Amino acid sequence: GQSLEQPSEVTAVEGAIVQINCTYQTSGFYGLSWYQQHDGGAPTFLSYNGLDGLEETGRFSSFLSRSDSYGYLLLQELQMKDSASYFCAVRSRVYGGATNKLIFGTGTLLAVQP
Amino acid sequence: DSGVTQTPKHLITATGQRVTLRCSPRSGDLSVYWYQQSLDQGLQFLIQYYNGEERAKGNILERFSAQQFPDLHSELNLSSLELGDSALYFCASSPGEGNYNEQFFGPGTRLTVL
Repeated sequence: GQSLEQPSEVTAVEGAIVQINCTYQTSGFYGLSWYQQHDGGAPTFLSYNGLDGLEETGRFSSFLSRSDSYGYLLLQELQMKDSASYFCAVRSRVYGGATNKLIFGTGTLLAVQP
Repeated sequence: DSGVTQTPKHLITATGQRVTLRCSPRSGDLSVYWYQQSLDQGLQFLIQYYNGEERAKGNILERFSAQQFPDLHSELNLSSLELGDSALYFCASSPGEGNYNEQFFGPGTRLTVL
């Protein structure tokens, strides 16, 4: 089967740095994605790691270690608007090839305090 | 705005009834995905269609079915509704069948079963 684990809640203050970890168990791994979801809103794509290492996009960075089945999302210079749920998602393999079928973690609720 | 549209935005119905949720993907996207998000669970992948054909199945109940039409819009049919089917239902789209790292989510349909 496939499973992803991430902390349920994280709290940080404005301007700080926060790291949200994700560990996964899956077969046919094709990459780890991160999505942000504000309360009641649509998930929006943040980043993707297909290979080991760090990917940086503005204030957000994401890291992957395939040997450890582990990744994290790093948010820098936190702003109040970053308060949201963050989901890691594994892209899995079906029908003998890559697919965009995503298996999501249960999400981490980030609360940014002034 | 992701470019993915979903109707209706809200739906309230009774147990035992049947409803149809509608999704129009972004212009040019061939893949459509359906997800269910309940309060106590994360985003659960239901089913994927690519250019009219079913491509991947997740935890979709037998009471649920979907299809993608020649104009690429998709419908998710939920029948014999139960209280536990109350959830947010998201549709997402991507350009192709695989090897795309980002899915674009619609605003969702909030289904309430009374």
